[in-house]
Amino acid sequence: SQQGEEDPQALSIQEGENATMNCSYKTSINNLQWYRQNSGRGLVHLILIRSNEREKHSGRLRVTLDTSKKSSSLLITASRAADTASYFCATASGNTPLVFGKGTRLSVIA
Amino acid sequence: GAVVSQHPSRVICKSGTSVKIECRSLDFQATTMFWYRQFPKKSLMLMATSNEGSKATYEQGVEKDKFLINHASLTLSTLTVTSAHPEDSSFYICSARDGGSSAWAGELFFGEGSRLTVL
Repeated sequence: SQQGEEDPQALSIQEGENATMNCSYKTSINNLQWYRQNSGRGLVHLILIRSNEREKHSGRLRVTLDTSKKSSSLLITASRAADTASYFCATASGNTPLVFGKGTRLSVIA
Repeated sequence: GAVVSQHPSRVICKSGTSVKIECRSLDFQATTMFWYRQFPKKSLMLMATSNEGSKATYEQGVEKDKFLINHASLTLSTLTVTSAHPEDSSFYICSARDGGSSAWAGELFFGEGSRLTVL
């Protein structure tokens, strides 16, 4: 069953602006991961945040996790046209495979 | 990072034929690989978990006789779509976890996907 639910489904911004995507989930997790997918390609792992972490940074990416609200956000700062892609959150719970959300399609306009 | 190679990237076949898709971990051993199916602008749907040396575990609603999975070595898993029909047309993606990582909680490394078109 689907666990993560991204919001918004689609986001269009100008180059240089920040992009924020949200993910909500339903059950307790071990960690939450964000992936990126360029059109017609495989997924690339961006960042993993553990259930006991609240915030994590990687380059222009900032991820937050609020386990009390069962939600996470991915912030991409100073966006570039090359950031155009679909972004998925995925949750790891117990001994079950990762469950992916529906994704946010980000378009960065130059 | 770890590399997963998936082949072929695109395949077109006639209805009724079988198609095999290969997924290889190039620089690590993968005791577990996962096969996903993705429809346009949709999320990934887990089809099955492929376990080296044992039978695959299929998700509910996925026909195991239709989608044959073989994981004969620590670096290779194959998905065979048997007697393909147009409704099997889709984007199939494999992924693997480095065998040294925690069984379920670590990051996944994805292949580039295989786009199957059944005429």
